[in-house]
Amino acid sequence: AQRVTQPEKLLSVFKGAPVELKCNYSYSGSPELFWYVQYSRQRLQLLLRHISRESIKGFTADLNKGETSFHLKKPFAQEEDSAMYYCALMNGYIPTFGRGTSLIVHP
Amino acid sequence: GAGVSQSPSNKVTEKGKDVELRCDPISGHTALYWYRQRLGQGLEFLIYFQGNSAPDKSGLPSDRFSAERTGESVSTLTIQRTQQEDSAVYLCASSRDRGFYSGYTFGSGTRLTVV
Repeated sequence: AQRVTQPEKLLSVFKGAPVELKCNYSYSGSPELFWYVQYSRQRLQLLLRHISRESIKGFTADLNKGETSFHLKKPFAQEEDSAMYYCALMNGYIPTFGRGTSLIVHP
Repeated sequence: GAGVSQSPSNKVTEKGKDVELRCDPISGHTALYWYRQRLGQGLEFLIYFQGNSAPDKSGLPSDRFSAERTGESVSTLTIQRTQQEDSAVYLCASSRDRGFYSGYTFGSGTRLTVV
């Protein structure tokens, strides 16, 4: 069965430090993966998709099929990056979400 | 509207009562999803609507849960005989297609508290 695992419930870093939010998945087919973000008092919103190979707000995520991972990375964290981050895997027409990682960036 | 609208934003109900949650998707979005998020947990899929096709109800946790959607318009999620374990934030999302290219637009959710 498809599964998305975000092993860290909380990640705390200082401003300017690199950040990596981990996401591992299990899926028998070719995975389609996303990262969603929820800032305080805002709605859940799309951050980036693996197929686009894009960098959004300085974040990137590379699909590693060998390690079944889709970790989200940013070289220099900013205070405004503090938010909940959810990794999601498409299962047919239905996205499966991880439990989320709360990122706190201290000044 | 400009976004996905959910109502009410908060609902407190007594155990055993029925509740109805509403989702108004973005106009033109054919796909609509309901998710449940319990405190400290991820998003739990409940039900998926795509246009006029039969909905995918595989995520509904029990027969106390049901949802309807007429065409590509408003959807309602009904929980009958509410239990305390139903307390959660119920999120609705819609997308123009299957969501892979355009992503999903989420509502702000309904926080349900069963006392």
